[in-house]
Amino acid sequence: DTGVSQDPRHKITKRGQNVTFRCDPISEHNRLYWYRQTLGQGPEFLTYFQNEAQLEKSRLLSDRFSAERPKGSFSTLEIQRTEQGDSAMYLCASSLLQSLGYNEQFFGPGTRLTVL
Amino acid sequence: AQSVTQPDIHITVSEGASLELRCNYSYGATPYLFWYVQSPGQGLQLLLKYFSGDTLVQGIKGFEAEFKRSQSSFNLRKPSVHWSDAAEYFCAVGAIHNNDMRFGAGTRLTVKP
Repeated sequence: DTGVSQDPRHKITKRGQNVTFRCDPISEHNRLYWYRQTLGQGPEFLTYFQNEAQLEKSRLLSDRFSAERPKGSFSTLEIQRTEQGDSAMYLCASSLLQSLGYNEQFFGPGTRLTVL
Repeated sequence: AQSVTQPDIHITVSEGASLELRCNYSYGATPYLFWYVQSPGQGLQLLLKYFSGDTLVQGIKGFEAEFKRSQSSFNLRKPSVHWSDAAEYFCAVGAIHNNDMRFGAGTRLTVKP
């Protein structure tokens, strides 16, 4: 079990460019989450998937943001027309939904985005 | 909606001293409560969690936390801090199946030799 992985770990881009991040969850996990963490703050929920279905999106997820999980395995988060306010750490987590009990979320190392 | 407050932005303790990190939550029902630790440049690691039952929960790395419903608190404690405990600590509250987990702003722990 290699855990949750994210790629790239760091991304520097210019304002107005599009960026895409990838998250590979733990293989048997059916839920995948995206969070954004700005400096000095805790992670803020963005969206989550159960298998390939996107079940919830936060108000933080403007129309410039889109996430996909096409085959219910890895997920991508794309930000179009990046703004300086998008600079943050983007965290991915995965969990195994069970009928009863708690679904622990396992976090990846994050992708740090810097928009110049 | 649930929310979490961590009143202390930064705490410094000496190695070997005891530690308590404060967490207050707001949630209408019985909460699921968590403490995570984040080292620089790393993701979050779960230290411990509370769902129900015994209000004193044990976690990894010698940490424990006590759920106090009357005070809406879930404070994290460790009897003797090690230099490797220096990190950012986040308290979080979740609803059932925690698909919308809310985190506090975090407490940065510095350990003095």
